[in-house]
Amino acid sequence: NAGVTQTPKFRVLKTGQSMTLLCAQDMNHEYMYWYRQDPGMGLRLIHYSVGEGTTAKGEVPDGYNVSRLKKQNFLLGLESAAPSQTSVYFCASRTVRGGANTEAFFGQGTRLTVV
Amino acid sequence: AQSVTQPDIHITVSEGASLELRCNYSYGATPYLFWYVQSPGQGLQLLLKYFSGDTLVQGIKGFEAEFKRSQSSFNLRKPSVHWSDAAEYFCAVGARAAGNKLTFGGGTRVLVKP
Repeated sequence: NAGVTQTPKFRVLKTGQSMTLLCAQDMNHEYMYWYRQDPGMGLRLIHYSVGEGTTAKGEVPDGYNVSRLKKQNFLLGLESAAPSQTSVYFCASRTVRGGANTEAFFGQGTRLTVV
Repeated sequence: AQSVTQPDIHITVSEGASLELRCNYSYGATPYLFWYVQSPGQGLQLLLKYFSGDTLVQGIKGFEAEFKRSQSSFNLRKPSVHWSDAAEYFCAVGARAAGNKLTFGGGTRVLVKP
């Protein structure tokens, strides 16, 4: 069972470069999320999607864009990377079948360093 | 807006001793509450969750948590810790609104002394 898979696992970018993080889930989940994790700040929501073709802003969306062209994939883009975007990025997915208390399943994370 | 506070950034406990991690939340209605654990270099794994009913919930790995509405708390406990419990623990509150977003606390890192 693959669950939630994030690609790549590590990346180093130079300031101003762009990149895309890919999240893929094989559980047919409706909701998908991108979080960033920084020391002492827990996980903060960047963007999320409640279904194919829809996206919405989370708590810290500036500098990021997302797309959900297929139900199983959720892409996070950095248009012009900045050192402040150095972080560990987590993707998560969850289903709405069974109610809103369903758990979120997380990927293994992508460690991004912007120099 | 919902929020979660975990007052303890680090906790050190001896192996075999009991553990309690604090979590306080702010939410305008009955919340969905979760505890996740993150081992080094890993993603997050669900330990337990509360959404209604019995306020004492049992989870995996011998953990339990108690929901106290009057104190807006959802503290995590384990009677006897094992070295493998060394990890970071996150409390989260789930919104019932569109997106069912999870809001996380800052985390508590648990160190286990032999």
